[in-house]
Amino acid sequence: DIQMTQSPSTLSASVGDRVTITCRASQSISSWLAWYQQKPGKAPKLLIYKASSFETGVPSRFSGSGSGTEFTLTISSLQPDDFATYYCQQYNSYPWTFGQGTKVEIK
Amino acid sequence: EVQLVESGGGLVQPGGSLRLSCAASGFTFSSYSMNWVRQAPGKGLEWVSYISSGGSTIYYADSVRGRFTISRDNAKNSLYLQVNSLRAEDTALYYCASLPPRSSSWYGGDYWGQGTLVTVSS
Repeated sequence: DIQMTQSPSTLSASVGDRVTITCRASQSISSWLAWYQQKPGKAPKLLIYKASSFETGVPSRFSGSGSGTEFTLTISSLQPDDFATYYCQQYNSYPWTFGQGTKVEIK
Repeated sequence: EVQLVESGGGLVQPGGSLRLSCAASGFTFSSYSMNWVRQAPGKGLEWVSYISSGGSTIYYADSVRGRFTISRDNAKNSLYLQVNSLRAEDTALYYCASLPPRSSSWYGGDYWGQGTLVTVSS
């Protein structure tokens, strides 16, 4: 199985900060990587697919990059609505696997 | 408006069974592959199972293979998960979700329900 490792697990930041979350795959997954945002009590919401493509309606402050085994999600200017937990997920091969999550907290 | 509505969860004893359902509306359900994803209380996301749009291709996580069965009825716009031989570690919120397919011709449109809670306890 492909292991997905996110870092950091928790991130404290202020409104307006640039935030970067890293996701590493245990083997190459090409660009078959998605990023999700989840708020408490809510279902996850897709932000990015195929490593860098935007889901419809996602603000442009979110961006994704990477290929192979290393990927990043960047929020260019953190907004109050962005405090949430973020997950990466590989869909290169079954079983599909998620990272353990990165919680973005208010500093 | 796209909707996925799960049902069928509940409290069940270890070794018991449940049938989870997901009713879809607002999109062409028969054109989408579908998945079940679960989340234990306070924990991260775990992919559980996949079924292709026509139902001919199915995959399971190792943790549920042989105990869970995914199926769909495109005429009823419904997805199902039969969960048998339940264990305490199966306690989770179960989501039905489309998830991005491994396809270069997919351009977005990911749908999730709000989940149905399965609690396995004596």
